[in-house]
Amino acid sequence: GAGVSQSPSNKVTEKGKDVELRCDPISGHTALYWYRQSLGQGLEFLIYFQGNSAPDKSGLPSDRFSAERTGGSVSTLTIQRTQQEDSAVYLCASSSGGGPYNEQFFGPGTRLTVL
Amino acid sequence: SQELEQSPQSLIVQEGKNLTINCTSSKTLYGLYWYKQKYGEGLIFLMMLQKGGEEKSHEKITAKLDEKKQQSSLHITASQPSHAGIYLCGATVPAGANNLFFGTGTRLTVIP
Repeated sequence: GAGVSQSPSNKVTEKGKDVELRCDPISGHTALYWYRQSLGQGLEFLIYFQGNSAPDKSGLPSDRFSAERTGGSVSTLTIQRTQQEDSAVYLCASSSGGGPYNEQFFGPGTRLTVL
Repeated sequence: SQELEQSPQSLIVQEGKNLTINCTSSKTLYGLYWYKQKYGEGLIFLMMLQKGGEEKSHEKITAKLDEKKQQSSLHITASQPSHAGIYLCGATVPAGANNLFFGTGTRLTVIP
């Protein structure tokens, strides 16, 4: 596609439920990133993929959070047993390569609300 | 820990005025990025700086990275309502990192 797309755009769920967030990166981009943006915390890194592997998971806040990437393309971020503090906008980005000098293109985000 | 400090946190200016947003780190910045975000939208890439002393301009927006690569400024000349939004600086700290650390953002309001 022309840009990074994410789905759903909005997700409202009840505390304790599992949710899956999807990211479709720009075609051909090998690097994929998940970030979370919440009030008072700013934009925080969650996980980085290079191809299908995740060399950096250091930003995942707990073991309730996991992500996978298949075929070097689509990625899914899964949050199990959601808590109210998980409410945030989850942003996905992709770039043509890893490292500090490759522009990251961001998707529109998924706004997650946990009631 | 907060790697990047942005100032001011909020800025309200009259249309036509110039403004500057700063992004500061105590560590050397690699690949300093400026993004703009509007409510409900993703981040829009503005500019990337990587060399000390580098300066880039696009339309009415100019970004600079100081010689020590620890501070960047974003300057908007003759601001317009279309410039309104949240401006975020992001950088990889330390060297070799792949992900971006972001500042807390500067909310810009331009009054017509």
